[in-house]
Amino acid sequence: SQKIEQNSEALNIQEGKTATLTCNYTNYSPAYLQWYRQDPGRGPVFLLLIRENEKEKRKERLKVTFDTTLKQSLFHITASQPADSATYLCALERESGGGADGLTFGKGTHLIIQP
Amino acid sequence: DGGITQSPKYLFRKEGQNVTLSCEQNLNHDAMYWYRQDPGQGLRLIYYSQIVNDFQKGDIAEGYSVSREKKESFPLTVTSAQKNPTAFYLCASSISSGSRYNEQFFGPGTRLTVL
Repeated sequence: SQKIEQNSEALNIQEGKTATLTCNYTNYSPAYLQWYRQDPGRGPVFLLLIRENEKEKRKERLKVTFDTTLKQSLFHITASQPADSATYLCALERESGGGADGLTFGKGTHLIIQP
Repeated sequence: DGGITQSPKYLFRKEGQNVTLSCEQNLNHDAMYWYRQDPGQGLRLIYYSQIVNDFQKGDIAEGYSVSREKKESFPLTVTSAQKNPTAFYLCASSISSGSRYNEQFFGPGTRLTVL
């Protein structure tokens, strides 16, 4: 079955630096991968989707890479700010493959940006 | 303002009681989902619905039931058969309609506690 691994420990980064989060997956070749942000006690908010034929995607200070050979995605936040502190979730389409069949989520990485 | 609403925000239940969580969306999305989140865990899919009057079991459907009588509404019932119902429940929706690459929009969540 699908397995997604994210750094389960908190990641502490100094303000202004680039934060890099890792998502590794096994036993599956998804057509896309998504990243979400979740604040405490709230629902996740969609950030970026990257397809299997895309190597890199950018949105403002965010950049996502997708290496289907390594089965890995990297999520970068450049010029990080304390407001970027949150838990970031990696998600894949479920193994059933249908686009509307829901997502499989990693446990998330808790990012802390220190002033 | 378009979005997803969930009610109530906090819910307390005695053991042996059934309880229904509400989820409404005014985004005109076809697909709706229910996820469960436990501390330190990723979101796990309970049920999903791609169209009105149709729904499928997700990865952890035992002890739960749903209905989809209207496009806007997808209520979740947590039955007494669910052994560990205390969790944070999240409802989501996506446009669907044949597209595979859909982001999901999440509601604010309902925190259920069994006393």
